[in-house]
Amino acid sequence: SQTIHQWPATLVQPVGSPLSLECTVEGTSNPNLYWYRQAAGRGLQLLFYSVGIGQISSEVPQNLSASRPQDRQFILSSKKLLLSDSGFYLCAWSVQADRLYFGPGTRLTVL
Amino acid sequence: KQEVTQIPAALSVPEGENLVLNCSFTDSAIYNLQWFRQDPGKGLTSLLLIQSSQREQTSGRLNASLDKSSGRSTLYIAASQPGDSATYLCAVRPTSGTYKYIFGTGTRLKVLA
Repeated sequence: SQTIHQWPATLVQPVGSPLSLECTVEGTSNPNLYWYRQAAGRGLQLLFYSVGIGQISSEVPQNLSASRPQDRQFILSSKKLLLSDSGFYLCAWSVQADRLYFGPGTRLTVL
Repeated sequence: KQEVTQIPAALSVPEGENLVLNCSFTDSAIYNLQWFRQDPGKGLTSLLLIQSSQREQTSGRLNASLDKSSGRSTLYIAASQPGDSATYLCAVRPTSGTYKYIFGTGTRLKVLA
């Protein structure tokens, strides 16, 4: 069966510090991968999606970036965090246009 | 531009009541529509997926319908239980050639014991 992992589960970082969140998927090949952010009291915002290794589409211009170094690995990064980057970050995967599956999420607090 | 709306934003019902959650979308050109459940501080769990050619899907006490031409979907929960308390979100997958899913802002459901 398929499994999606995200780490860390929670993170508290100072403004201006770097960020690296990792997501890995098991049990499937060539998935579409997604990074979403859920801010307090707001809906899900799509940040990045990838249809293959090295292929990244950015939805929101900001100080975040994403990379896909391996087929089932998706990384969200920042060189310098802003207060507005605080939120709940969710990784998800799908195959073709089918069902979307989410990971457990990472709660990021920027102080 | 596809927009997805969920009304009401919050709902409280007594245990045992049958209830309906609504999802509206502005563009009928979709591949599918999916309903999710989110518990506080957790990721989203997929409940039901309806393909554009389907009218409804059922899983246990849950039934989701899709009227693509009118841009509406409903999630029916029968005999609600306190364990059903969560936020319910719908998402559509447009046929616009990308793999993006567009989400509504959700309905926060509380089932009172």
